[in-house]
Amino acid sequence: QITLKESGPTLVKPTQTLTLTCTFSGFSLSSSGVGVGWIRQPPGKALEWLALIYWNDDKRYSPSLKNRLTITKDTSENQVVLTLANMDPLDTATYYCAHRRGLLEFDHWGQGTLVTVSS
Amino acid sequence: EIVLTQSPGTLSLSPGERATLSCRASQSVTSGYLNWFQQRPGQAPRLLIYSASKRATGTPARFSGSGSGTDFTLTISRLEPEDFALYFCQQYDTSRTFGQGTKVEIK
Repeated sequence: QITLKESGPTLVKPTQTLTLTCTFSGFSLSSSGVGVGWIRQPPGKALEWLALIYWNDDKRYSPSLKNRLTITKDTSENQVVLTLANMDPLDTATYYCAHRRGLLEFDHWGQGTLVTVSS
Repeated sequence: EIVLTQSPGTLSLSPGERATLSCRASQSVTSGYLNWFQQRPGQAPRLLIYSASKRATGTPARFSGSGSGTDFTLTISRLEPEDFALYFCQQYDTSRTFGQGTKVEIK
């Protein structure tokens, strides 16, 4: 059974760097074709894809946020870490991590974690 | 960037009726790599359809996806009470983008 869970701060100040951790079980991020992505959703708004890391350490980023994002993985700990620099109140959102494998994109999601940006 | 435009923004229907949701891409999704997700209030999205027309594990047969190129459709043949929710399309052909969503509400 695949499960994912996001963790990190619920409140950050403007200009700070957000660090979120996705801890997963039920799959290995060293298996061919597997990846973990991050998606966010501001309150009452649409989903926005942020970043994706593959089993071979290939990394993809949203073009609009590329300069602020970093995604890394720790295969032995079954974790993926996302950092988002220079936080702004517009970055207030629920942040989700999700699993992908082959053609199955984002077939399992974490419960999400709400991050509020405020001074 | 491929922009996905979903229509209508809100669909007001009664249980048992047919729902047709549209997702139009600003350029061709040549691979057909298009997903449909359902999101209920307070929950994470759930994958319903992948590669435009393949049902994900656990997706009821009343959900079907179709389309290619720039025009894609999600059809719910007969709405059940649990189907009233928010639906998003997403392409993973060129980078990744989501549509703005269609809300299916009870009429």
